[in-house]
Amino acid sequence: GAVVSQHPSWVICKSGTSVKIECRSLDFQATTMFWYRQFPKQSLMLMATSNEGSKATYEQGVEKDKFLINHASLTLSTLTVTSAHPEDSSFYICSAEPTAVHSYEQYFGPGTRLTVT
Amino acid sequence: GQNIDQPTEMTATEGAIVQINCTYQTSGFNGLFWYQQHAGEAPTFLSYNVLDGLEEKGRFSSFLSRSKGYSYLLLKELQMKDSASYLCAVRDSFNQAGTALIFGKGTTLSVSS
Repeated sequence: GAVVSQHPSWVICKSGTSVKIECRSLDFQATTMFWYRQFPKQSLMLMATSNEGSKATYEQGVEKDKFLINHASLTLSTLTVTSAHPEDSSFYICSAEPTAVHSYEQYFGPGTRLTVT
Repeated sequence: GQNIDQPTEMTATEGAIVQINCTYQTSGFNGLFWYQQHAGEAPTFLSYNVLDGLEEKGRFSSFLSRSKGYSYLLLKELQMKDSASYLCAVRDSFNQAGTALIFGKGTTLSVSS
């Protein structure tokens, strides 16, 4: 089946530093990837849609200059949290839709737990 | 606005049947999904409904009524490993992000022996 990986699975960083999270589709190509954020006991909230070869589309209220998204290839999207603050501590999950075959399903990565101290 | 409602918590015993309801109000509709999520892990796909009716898949079934904005997930022959959070999500075709999913807050199911 389709597999999406994320790296790192968890990271602790100091306030003011930047953190990069990678999302890879391992056995399929994905023109579109999605980045979600989930706080404890909360729903997954869509942050942005990442499109290969074009700028990401951000949801209302998500700062594009703070959460930098790069979709460098059909198998890789990265999310960089710049100047991280404790309130950015959360569970970040990416998902990907296969390009080759029209599929209704999104495949989720295992998530990255970010803790900002 | 966009709104997806589901109960916060449910409890059941092994071997029982449980139904988790979901109601939604979205500006568009292009399919409803159910996902299972264990604590600290990513969601895993359970079912997809785009037309009215019941979709059965082993111990899990999902029902959709588009006119009522209503769905349910039915879990039969419950097992301890079914203890997890169950997320209802709608693909909103009019969402700016295209085919992104809008998630409910999830229903935490606890299965006891």
